[in-house]
Amino acid sequence: AQTIHQWPVAEIKAVGSPLSLGCTIKGKSSPNLYWYWQATGGTLQQLFYSITVGQVESVVQLNLSASRPKDDQFILSTEKLLLSHSGFYLCAWSLGRAEVFFGKGTRLTVV
Amino acid sequence: GEQVEQRPPHLSVREGDSAFIICTYTDSATAYFYWYKQEPGAGLQLLMSVFSNVDRKEEQGLTVLLNKKDKRLSLNLTAAHPGDSAVYFCAVSPNYGNEKITFGAGTKLTIKP
Repeated sequence: AQTIHQWPVAEIKAVGSPLSLGCTIKGKSSPNLYWYWQATGGTLQQLFYSITVGQVESVVQLNLSASRPKDDQFILSTEKLLLSHSGFYLCAWSLGRAEVFFGKGTRLTVV
Repeated sequence: GEQVEQRPPHLSVREGDSAFIICTYTDSATAYFYWYKQEPGAGLQLLMSVFSNVDRKEEQGLTVLLNKKDKRLSLNLTAAHPGDSAVYFCAVSPNYGNEKITFGAGTKLTIKP
Protein backbone atom coordinates (compact mmCIF):
# COMPACT_ATOMS: atom_id res chain seq x y z
CA ALA A 1 0.00 0.00 0.00
CA GLN A 2 1.13 3.52 -0.71
CA THR A 3 2.20 5.73 2.17
CA ILE A 4 3.11 9.37 2.42
CA HIS A 5 5.37 10.56 5.17
CA GLN A 6 6.13 14.15 6.05
CA TRP A 7 8.83 15.40 8.35
CA PRO A 8 9.15 17.03 10.75
CA VAL A 9 5.72 16.91 12.33
CA ALA A 10 6.20 20.38 13.79
CA GLU A 11 8.91 22.98 13.86
CA ILE A 12 9.54 26.28 15.60
CA LYS A 13 12.09 28.43 13.81
CA ALA A 14 13.46 31.95 14.12
CA VAL A 15 12.92 34.61 11.51
CA GLY A 16 15.84 34.61 9.10
CA SER A 17 16.79 31.00 9.73
CA PRO A 18 16.78 28.33 7.01
CA LEU A 19 14.10 25.69 6.60
CA SER A 20 13.84 22.28 5.02
CA LEU A 21 10.66 20.19 5.03
CA GLY A 22 10.52 16.75 3.53
CA CYS A 23 8.04 14.35 2.06
CA THR A 24 8.41 10.79 0.84
CA ILE A 25 5.92 8.60 -0.98
CA LYS A 26 6.28 4.86 -0.91
CA GLY A 27 4.42 2.33 -2.97
CA LYS A 28 3.82 4.42 -6.06
CA SER A 29 6.02 4.94 -9.07
CA SER A 30 6.37 8.38 -10.66
CA PRO A 31 3.62 10.15 -8.76
CA ASN A 32 2.73 13.79 -9.22
CA LEU A 33 3.83 15.58 -6.06
CA TYR A 34 2.51 18.80 -4.54
CA TRP A 35 3.25 21.22 -1.73
CA TYR A 36 0.41 23.16 -0.17
CA TRP A 37 0.41 25.86 2.48
CA GLN A 38 -2.45 26.51 4.83
CA ALA A 39 -2.64 29.56 7.08
CA THR A 40 -4.25 28.93 10.45
CA GLY A 41 -7.96 28.49 9.84
CA GLY A 42 -7.52 29.16 6.14
CA THR A 43 -7.79 27.48 2.81
CA LEU A 44 -5.05 25.64 1.00
CA GLN A 45 -2.72 27.43 -1.34
CA GLN A 46 -0.86 25.30 -3.83
CA LEU A 47 2.84 26.21 -3.80
CA PHE A 48 4.59 23.76 -6.10
CA TYR A 49 3.96 20.69 -8.15
CA SER A 50 6.23 18.17 -9.77
CA ILE A 51 5.42 15.53 -12.36
CA THR A 52 8.89 14.02 -12.57
CA VAL A 53 12.30 13.93 -10.91
CA GLY A 54 14.19 17.18 -11.19
CA GLN A 55 11.20 19.10 -12.52
CA VAL A 56 9.33 21.46 -10.23
CA GLU A 57 6.82 24.12 -11.17
CA SER A 58 6.09 27.07 -8.93
CA VAL A 59 2.46 28.08 -8.55
CA VAL A 60 2.86 31.04 -6.21
CA GLN A 61 5.87 33.01 -5.04
CA LEU A 62 6.32 32.96 -1.29
CA ASN A 63 10.14 33.10 -1.06
CA LEU A 64 10.19 29.32 -0.92
CA SER A 65 11.73 26.75 -3.21
CA ALA A 66 11.11 23.08 -3.85
CA SER A 67 13.12 20.24 -5.27
CA ARG A 68 12.53 16.66 -6.26
CA PRO A 69 15.86 14.88 -5.94
CA LYS A 70 14.35 11.40 -6.19
CA ASP A 71 11.16 9.95 -7.63
CA ASP A 72 9.69 9.45 -4.18
CA GLN A 73 10.98 12.58 -2.45
CA PHE A 74 9.85 16.20 -2.42
CA ILE A 75 11.66 18.89 -0.44
CA LEU A 76 10.45 22.38 0.48
CA SER A 77 13.04 24.88 1.62
CA THR A 78 14.09 28.44 2.11
CA GLU A 79 17.32 30.07 3.22
CA LYS A 80 15.61 32.81 5.19
CA LEU A 81 12.28 32.40 6.95
CA LEU A 82 9.74 35.17 7.28
CA LEU A 83 7.01 35.49 9.89
CA SER A 84 4.50 35.05 7.08
CA HIS A 85 5.80 31.53 6.45
CA SER A 86 4.08 30.28 9.58
CA GLY A 87 1.32 27.80 8.91
CA PHE A 88 0.61 24.22 8.00
CA TYR A 89 2.48 22.64 5.11
CA LEU A 90 0.95 19.69 3.34
CA CYS A 91 2.55 17.38 0.86
CA ALA A 92 0.32 15.47 -1.52
CA TRP A 93 0.54 12.99 -4.37
CA SER A 94 -1.56 11.77 -7.24
CA LEU A 95 -1.25 9.57 -10.30
CA GLY A 96 -2.08 11.99 -13.07
CA ARG A 97 -5.79 12.59 -13.43
CA ALA A 98 -6.84 10.91 -10.28
CA GLU A 99 -7.50 11.58 -6.65
CA VAL A 100 -4.97 13.61 -4.70
CA PHE A 101 -3.88 12.20 -1.35
CA PHE A 102 -2.38 14.24 1.43
CA GLY A 103 0.18 13.67 4.12
CA LYS A 104 -0.41 14.58 7.74
CA GLY A 105 1.33 17.91 7.41
CA THR A 106 4.02 19.92 9.17
CA ARG A 107 3.11 22.71 11.55
CA LEU A 108 5.62 25.56 11.17
CA THR A 109 5.80 28.42 13.63
CA VAL A 110 8.18 31.26 12.83
CA VAL A 111 9.05 33.46 15.79
CA GLY B 1 -7.67 31.54 -13.33
CA GLU B 2 -10.12 29.29 -11.57
CA GLN B 3 -12.09 30.77 -8.69
CA VAL B 4 -13.87 28.57 -6.18
CA GLU B 5 -16.36 29.92 -3.69
CA GLN B 6 -17.52 27.74 -0.85
CA ARG B 7 -20.32 28.38 1.57
CA PRO B 8 -21.23 28.52 4.30
CA PRO B 9 -17.95 29.17 6.12
CA HIS B 10 -19.48 27.85 9.34
CA LEU B 11 -22.28 25.36 9.78
CA SER B 12 -23.79 23.95 12.94
CA VAL B 13 -26.32 21.12 12.85
CA ARG B 14 -27.82 18.79 15.40
CA GLU B 15 -26.79 15.18 15.60
CA GLY B 16 -28.92 13.17 13.20
CA ASP B 17 -29.68 16.12 10.93
CA SER B 18 -28.25 16.80 7.49
CA ALA B 19 -25.51 19.25 6.55
CA PHE B 20 -25.31 20.88 3.14
CA ILE B 21 -22.25 22.60 1.68
CA ILE B 22 -22.02 24.19 -1.71
CA CYS B 23 -19.19 25.31 -3.99
CA THR B 24 -19.29 27.26 -7.20
CA TYR B 25 -16.46 27.42 -9.70
CA THR B 26 -15.73 29.55 -12.74
CA ASP B 27 -13.72 27.53 -15.25
CA SER B 28 -15.87 25.55 -17.68
CA ALA B 29 -12.87 23.28 -18.39
CA THR B 30 -13.01 21.98 -14.84
CA ALA B 31 -13.37 18.23 -14.96
CA TYR B 32 -12.43 16.77 -11.59
CA PHE B 33 -14.16 17.50 -8.33
CA TYR B 34 -13.22 16.50 -4.81
CA TRP B 35 -14.44 16.77 -1.26
CA TYR B 36 -11.99 16.58 1.60
CA LYS B 37 -12.36 16.46 5.36
CA GLN B 38 -9.79 17.95 7.72
CA GLU B 39 -9.86 17.27 11.41
CA PRO B 40 -8.00 19.64 13.79
CA GLY B 41 -4.23 19.52 13.30
CA ALA B 42 -4.47 16.80 10.68
CA GLY B 43 -4.00 16.41 6.96
CA LEU B 44 -6.80 16.14 4.45
CA GLN B 45 -8.84 13.01 4.05
CA LEU B 46 -10.36 12.44 0.63
CA LEU B 47 -14.09 11.79 1.02
CA MET B 48 -15.21 11.55 -2.55
CA SER B 49 -14.07 12.34 -6.06
CA VAL B 50 -16.31 12.95 -9.04
CA PHE B 51 -15.56 13.25 -12.71
CA SER B 52 -17.50 15.71 -14.83
CA ASN B 53 -19.66 13.05 -16.49
CA VAL B 54 -21.31 12.25 -13.16
CA ASP B 55 -24.24 14.27 -11.84
CA ARG B 56 -24.75 12.47 -8.56
CA LYS B 57 -22.70 10.17 -6.41
CA GLU B 58 -23.59 8.62 -3.08
CA GLU B 59 -21.30 6.86 -0.66
CA GLN B 60 -21.71 6.06 3.02
CA GLY B 61 -24.09 8.83 4.02
CA LEU B 62 -22.56 11.39 1.66
CA THR B 63 -24.18 12.69 -1.53
CA VAL B 64 -22.30 14.79 -4.05
CA LEU B 65 -24.26 16.66 -6.70
CA LEU B 66 -22.65 18.27 -9.72
CA ASN B 67 -24.48 20.85 -11.82
CA LYS B 68 -22.16 21.68 -14.71
CA LYS B 69 -24.54 24.15 -16.25
CA ASP B 70 -24.50 26.30 -13.12
CA LYS B 71 -20.92 25.31 -12.23
CA ARG B 72 -22.03 24.16 -8.81
CA LEU B 73 -20.86 21.32 -6.63
CA SER B 74 -22.51 20.30 -3.39
CA LEU B 75 -22.02 17.90 -0.54
CA ASN B 76 -24.89 16.61 1.54
CA LEU B 77 -24.04 14.78 4.72
CA THR B 78 -27.00 12.87 6.11
CA ALA B 79 -27.56 11.72 9.70
CA ALA B 80 -24.62 13.70 11.08
CA HIS B 81 -22.79 12.41 14.12
CA PRO B 82 -20.12 14.02 16.35
CA GLY B 83 -17.30 12.39 14.38
CA ASP B 84 -18.36 14.44 11.38
CA SER B 85 -17.26 17.66 13.07
CA ALA B 86 -14.38 18.96 10.95
CA VAL B 87 -13.53 21.42 8.21
CA TYR B 88 -14.71 20.35 4.77
CA PHE B 89 -13.07 21.54 1.56
CA CYS B 90 -14.17 21.26 -2.00
CA ALA B 91 -11.47 21.16 -4.65
CA VAL B 92 -11.54 21.27 -8.43
CA SER B 93 -9.08 20.45 -11.16
CA PRO B 94 -9.08 21.25 -14.88
CA ASN B 95 -9.45 18.81 -17.69
CA TYR B 96 -5.80 18.73 -18.61
CA GLY B 97 -4.67 17.16 -15.40
CA ASN B 98 -4.09 17.62 -11.73
CA GLU B 99 -1.21 20.06 -11.84
CA LYS B 100 -3.40 22.91 -10.70
CA ILE B 101 -5.96 22.12 -8.04
CA THR B 102 -8.00 24.92 -6.56
CA PHE B 103 -9.56 24.62 -3.13
CA GLY B 104 -12.56 26.33 -1.63
CA ALA B 105 -12.12 28.29 1.58
CA GLY B 106 -13.54 25.52 3.72
CA THR B 107 -16.64 24.99 5.85
CA LYS B 108 -16.26 24.40 9.54
CA LEU B 109 -18.96 21.90 10.46
CA THR B 110 -19.98 21.48 14.08
CA ILE B 111 -22.34 18.72 15.16
CA LYS B 112 -24.32 19.54 18.29
CA PRO B 113 -25.60 16.73 20.53
